Amino acid sequence: DAGVTQSPTHLIKTRGQQVTLRCSPKSGHDTVSWYQQALGQGPHFIFQYYEEEERQRGNFPDRFSGHQFPNYSSELNVNALLLGDSALYLCASSYRTGTYEQYFGPGTRLTVT
Amino acid sequence: GQQVMQIPQYQHVQEGEDFTTYCNSSTTLSNIQWYKQRPGGHPVFLIQLVKSGEVKKQKRLTFQFGEAKKNSSLHITATQTTDVGTYFCAVRKTSYDKVIFGPGTSLSVIP
Repeated sequence: DAGVTQSPTHLIKTRGQQVTLRCSPKSGHDTVSWYQQALGQGPHFIFQYYEEEERQRGNFPDRFSGHQFPNYSSELNVNALLLGDSALYLCASSYRTGTYEQYFGPGTRLTVT
Repeated sequence: GQQVMQIPQYQHVQEGEDFTTYCNSSTTLSNIQWYKQRPGGHPVFLIQLVKSGEVKKQKRLTFQFGEAKKNSSLHITATQTTDVGTYFCAVRKTSYDKVIFGPGTSLSVIP
């Protein structure tokens, strides 16, 4: 039973570029949440997808957008990259949107130069 | 907005000593979860607390939810080197609210 998988593992982009990160949830899970974790900080909630719709959103600008596919996998897109977008991007899956434990993927390390 | 604090920020202990981290919220919570993140790793779910005054144990780990549901603690008895990592609390104001993670407590264990 595969856990949460994310791709790519590492990514280096230039300011102003666009990036797409991908996530496949744990088998049996239908909800995907995305987090940004800067070095030395806790994860910051970006948004959550359930039934292919964005259900909740944190305090992130519209440059951050996402998508969920019918197979529950998800993408995170970031446009017009800034140096401050450099971070570990974590995907977490759960069953339904309520108070269920989240399983995190290994993350994608994004570096913006 | 809602604020979540964790104290201490860092803790260095000798192997075998006990360790406690505290999570405090400015608002009443629906539930609280605890996660552990090893250096270079990703957060791993440890426990969820829902009821006022709830206490749960996992081997050497004891988790407690405050009576007012605004704070929580994680206590580790007789720390081991495998306990090294950052411990995060993650809270929700309501069952379907977005999750807010605390800043974490980083634990170092000196063998």
